[in-house]
Parts: sequence; C-alpha cells; structure tokens
Amino acid sequence: GAVVSQHPSWVICKSGTSVKIECRSLDFQATTMFWYRQFPKQSLMLMATSNEGSKATYEQGVEKDKFLINHASLTLSTLTVTSAHPEDSSFYICSATGGLAGVRETQYFGPGTRLLVL
Amino acid sequence: AQSVSQHNHHVILSEAASLELGCNYSYGGTVNLFWYVQYPGQHLQLLLKYFSGDPLVKGIKGFEAEFIKSKFSFNLRKPSVQWSDTAEYFCAVTPANSWGKLQFGAGTQVVVTP
Repeated sequence: GAVVSQHPSWVICKSGTSVKIECRSLDFQATTMFWYRQFPKQSLMLMATSNEGSKATYEQGVEKDKFLINHASLTLSTLTVTSAHPEDSSFYICSATGGLAGVRETQYFGPGTRLLVL
Repeated sequence: AQSVSQHNHHVILSEAASLELGCNYSYGGTVNLFWYVQYPGQHLQLLLKYFSGDPLVKGIKGFEAEFIKSKFSFNLRKPSVQWSDTAEYFCAVTPANSWGKLQFGAGTQVVVTP
C-alpha cells in the first residue's frame, strides 16, 4: 500500500517551454502533497506544500509564478515549470500523506522526475 | 533555522560488518524523526520513524535507531549489513507543529562490498 507515482519519469525540453509533472497517489487519498527538488549529490529541498482544494504554500525562495502547483483532487497534484530555463534542470520528487499534514503522518515518496532543459 | 546534519557522506564496509550512521538536528522543540533509504534507481522508502515513546525504534530490514534527546541525535544502526543494503540513507526531521515539512540531511552513501 501507499504507492505514489510520478509522470513522466524524465523529460527533456527546450528553454522557454513549460513542463507539467504529475504526482498521483495510487491506493490512498492524499490530502496533502509535497514537492521537493534534489540537486546532484545534495539532499531534497522542500519547494511547496499543497493541500487538496487550496492554494499551495511555497517555501522561501521558491517562485510561485514559476512553479505552479495544482492539487485538484485527492489523488493528483501537478507541478508545472513555466518558461523553463537550464537552471531549472533538476530531479523533482513528490510525496503524499494520507491525512491532514499533521504530526503523525508519514510521507510516501514518488520515484521522481528528471528534468533537463536545453 | 532548523537543520539536519549527517556525519558521513560516504561509508564503505564489508558484508557482516556493523553499520552506524550519525544524524544530529538543531531544533529546540518537539520533533518527529525519520530515516529514509534510497536504493539505486529506486524512490525513497521509509526505514523507520520516531514520534514518541521508546527512544529505541526498530524498522524494516533489521535497522534500528535511537533517539537521544539530550544529544539531539537519531543515529541509525544495523548489526550486520548485507550487500543489498548498498543505498543512500537520509535522516529527516519535522517539528511536531510544522504540518509535515520534512527537513532532510545531506544523505550518506553506503556501499557494502561482498
């Protein structure tokens, strides 16, 4: 149980285009999803927290107009990288929790999406 | 600001050796603690977690971790590693009132040689 998928697993795009990454909870309802970014040989950095049906909360330094997050249903959240540039190339990982983002919830992680912007 | 530090970036050891990975955090309040593992080519998986109660926590695959509040530490241990334990290990912390925001350590790459 508690499986999270991401699509696509990797994407290559031209600079200036937008890329949408999907995160799905396959066997549970995810009221909260998190989006992380991982640079090579570095740890995961939280980008934003999204609760179903409400606006995402972005971490300091993350441009909300560049990284659009939508959490329209209890099983799907999307991250859209708008007007992507080479510096946006990274590994994007989502996670989901099965209840309110409270004290005792465990996050289940997706496999990640590798984005390369040329 | 809260931070999580993992003492070793790389660890190489032989099968059957014992493993201990250090994790320290800086946060003054109540925290929840996690160890995640990422096997080559796979996604992050939860090894174990601590919320409250017995500070010695047992997880999957023979791993355990001990929470020492006075030392702000949550070290991961396994008495006898196997080749299949080769992976990257991440310690993560979330303050109890932070709505699930995980702060990750930099990770420790563990390589177990046959």
